[in-house]
Amino acid sequence: DAGITQSPRHKVTETGTPVTLRCHQTENHRYMYWYRQDPGHGLRLIHYSYGVKDTDKGEVSDGYSVSRSKTEDFLLTLESATSSQTSVYFCASKQEPSRAQHFGDGTRLSIL
Amino acid sequence: AQSVTQLGSHVSVSEGALVLLRCNYSSSVPPYLFWYVQYPNQGLQLLLKYTTGATLVKGINGFEAEFKKSETSFHLTKPSAHMSDAAEYFCAVIDNYGQNFVFGPGTRLSVLP
Repeated sequence: DAGITQSPRHKVTETGTPVTLRCHQTENHRYMYWYRQDPGHGLRLIHYSYGVKDTDKGEVSDGYSVSRSKTEDFLLTLESATSSQTSVYFCASKQEPSRAQHFGDGTRLSIL
Repeated sequence: AQSVTQLGSHVSVSEGALVLLRCNYSSSVPPYLFWYVQYPNQGLQLLLKYTTGATLVKGINGFEAEFKKSETSFHLTKPSAHMSDAAEYFCAVIDNYGQNFVFGPGTRLSVLP
């Protein structure tokens, strides 16, 4: 399996504070993804990256920003966290040519 | 736009019984199809994938799936359920641009003793 590490694994914070989640992969995959998982909604794409400094929006990008300064690292930032952003966040990278995505273990984020 | 439907948000089977989890998709391009499994408090793990070639795909843990183009289906099966198969299962299809996934809503599998 691709080595994908997410940090932190759990975080509790307050409304209005900035939050940054980190994703690190060791497989040199070009594509990386951030999803959120909520009951009844499955996984929804927030942002993705197709290379260093190349990112694009997904289905639920409002309130989130991303950055990718190195191939191995993909950061997700909530500029001003809201309670609606309480969720489990997953990072993934895509293997070529199979196009299979490999996932990290997730970050459980609670915003009070 | 692509979509993925998984019939049954919750499926229960007895240990040793056949497992059948249904997945139907819509896609305007030849599909790449995937099944993932998620155990509690873990990320998604790839079970199997269909890209091209043989329509019956074998995956890990004794699971297999058959791509049926005429039915736009990619159902997941396992001949004999084990207690350790209890988890949530997600079907996914590659989108029209060939880069991103569209996930189904998931099916939670319970295995009864």
